[in-house]
Amino acid sequence: KAGVTQTPRYLIKTRGQQVTLSCSPISGHRSVSWYQQTPGQGLQFLFEYFSETQRNKGNFPGRFSGRQFSNSRSEMNVSTLELGDSALYLCASRGTGKQETQYFGPGTRLLVL
Amino acid sequence: AQTVTQSQPEMSVQEAETVTLSCTYDTSESDYYLFWYKQPPSRQMILVIRQEAYKQQNATENRFSVNFQKAAKSFSLKISDSQLGDAAMYFCAYRSARETSGSRLTFGEGTQLTVNP
Repeated sequence: KAGVTQTPRYLIKTRGQQVTLSCSPISGHRSVSWYQQTPGQGLQFLFEYFSETQRNKGNFPGRFSGRQFSNSRSEMNVSTLELGDSALYLCASRGTGKQETQYFGPGTRLLVL
Repeated sequence: AQTVTQSQPEMSVQEAETVTLSCTYDTSESDYYLFWYKQPPSRQMILVIRQEAYKQQNATENRFSVNFQKAAKSFSLKISDSQLGDAAMYFCAYRSARETSGSRLTFGEGTQLTVNP
């Protein structure tokens, strides 16, 4: 099976712009989670989508949003970018069973200037 | 809320030697999963090993094994016969088994492992 894929891999934006990141899960996985990784805050959970519904949400401002499509692909959007949004954004997918493990994509590195 | 703590920001080991990375966690739940992930310079997060809390037997995957102490809320990772390719940042992670928690992982701060030739 192909792994989790994320596009784009690298992105440079300026303050005030918005950005959309994409994640394609492993085939058959219906859960997609997003994480933000920064040197200062470490790995933080953003949100999870399951069958096109947001199932869980971390403690991030409303500028961070997401959605999931019927094919389980997910997008994450950040509006009105701030310098502090510069980070590695990781996507992970998981199968349906309770004991299923999450597998991560390669990440999208976002730099906000 | 659950928390995960890795008290060793950096560790080093000689090639072919054994090293143990520490992790403690805090939870009021009895059913959960614990994981060790590895993040090499490529930044790809790779699952190393997992442990179900209801299992008393410690998980083992080739050169990687864990020491799971549920009462002490401790979950250490032992790497035997260390190889240069083991050099990476290692993260300990917790996931609740409750359905309402979904797939959410809580991560520790990470331990940077250096392997010296």
